[in-house]
Amino acid sequence: QSVLTQPPSASGTPGQRVTISCSGSSSNIGSNYVYWYQQLPGTAPKLLIYRNNQRPSGVPDRFSGSKSGTSASLAISGLRSEDEADYYCAAWDDSLSGNWVFGGGTKLTVL
Amino acid sequence: QVQLQESGPGLVKPSQTLSLTCTVSGGSISSGGYYWSWIRQHPGKGLEWIGYIYYSGSTYYNPSLKSRVTISVDTSKNQFSLKLSSVTAADTAVYYCARINTMFDAFDIWGQGTMVTVSS
Repeated sequence: QSVLTQPPSASGTPGQRVTISCSGSSSNIGSNYVYWYQQLPGTAPKLLIYRNNQRPSGVPDRFSGSKSGTSASLAISGLRSEDEADYYCAAWDDSLSGNWVFGGGTKLTVL
Repeated sequence: QVQLQESGPGLVKPSQTLSLTCTVSGGSISSGGYYWSWIRQHPGKGLEWIGYIYYSGSTYYNPSLKSRVTISVDTSKNQFSLKLSSVTAADTAVYYCARINTMFDAFDIWGQGTMVTVSS
């Protein structure tokens, strides 16, 4: 059971816009930044979004992040076949003595 | 371009200690502004943060694993290591080493991962 809650799956057709949600609590998303990682099949995760809505160099602006209260979202516009991957949200959690927590992941299928 | 590479046994017996090493290439582990971390992914599951270390040796562990985890650093070899004691089948996972970049406060570089199976 992951601390952050994501839908297990999402799908869209090429060119479409899809969003993936991530729900947390006051001790994580509600008080800290949210991060998003993309994991292509058989590979390590890759940083996609940091500090809620910032993109590292090299990440297309088709990817965008947002946060409101204790929830966050990743939006992918102009969906492409190569976007088919697992997506994970993450945040620092202030409970106990502090801990990085992740969502369970959302498998995005490009139809 | 900094790269990370995990190494270590792919099979560990129950109750024994899992030991992995991450070798950093293309940059110095002693560079300030980075923390060096271990993360694992159970088969078909999500990600679990294990802990991190700074080049000075200061560490921070996931409270749920803290009693069994030791992370150490060898700056002369540009490596950091993970030891997880008293392993069970529940510790079977892909283990990743990753760099936390304080510019992003995020895991910005990952190793390719290494599968560790706990079985007799």
